[in-house]
Amino acid sequence: QSALTQPRSVSESPGQSVTISCTGTSSDVGGYNYVSWYQQHPGKAPKLMIYDVSKRPSGVPDRFSGSKSGNTASLTISGLQAEDEADYYCCSYAGSYTLYVFGTGTKVTVL
Amino acid sequence: QVQLQESGPGLVKPSGTLSLTCAVSGDSISSNNWWTWVRQPPGKGLEWIGEIYHSGSTNYNPSLKSRVTISIDKSKDQFSLKLSSVTAADTAVYYCASQTHYGDFAYWGQGTLVTVSS
Repeated sequence: QSALTQPRSVSESPGQSVTISCTGTSSDVGGYNYVSWYQQHPGKAPKLMIYDVSKRPSGVPDRFSGSKSGNTASLTISGLQAEDEADYYCCSYAGSYTLYVFGTGTKVTVL
Repeated sequence: QVQLQESGPGLVKPSGTLSLTCAVSGDSISSNNWWTWVRQPPGKGLEWIGEIYHSGSTNYNPSLKSRVTISIDKSKDQFSLKLSSVTAADTAVYYCASQTHYGDFAYWGQGTLVTVSS
């Protein structure tokens, strides 16, 4: 099972929006509504930002939103803030054999 | 709120067995969680290793399945990871995490770096 494909990096100015794509196949992203997104600052553990494609855990700002179309999921960060600068990983359920596959990761830079 | 803490040797010799333990607090290890291991090689992405339920049921990453064993000790509120026949490619930060539902890894330990080297 290959890792899900994400852009290596994205950058934008404070206050603007960025969208990170996560491309898989019909066996993972396209086959289930179980895509989650994680934020990871350097030297820290990942933090759950989105689950079940578009649900936000308690405490996650509504600037973070998720969606999915076909085999591609997306994370959008609106009103970009300096503290949003981090690595972001998607994750998808991939069936009862493989179970979970993570994305390649995207570095978000706030200019 | 669930708290997780990894522990174990930071250095393992090639061909040896990596052994880590994750202590669970703030919730019962017998709650409705799948207790999970994830690793991250230095400078690289995340890789799901496997998971265990309090019943003892396990699931493993097919690419690691032949070398991985995850076990649970409910009397100590902890679960463990063993990875055999390690090579330098197994050098990584190893995280324990919990999930209640299809990939929502909501709680994570701080991670522990394991280096495979002679």
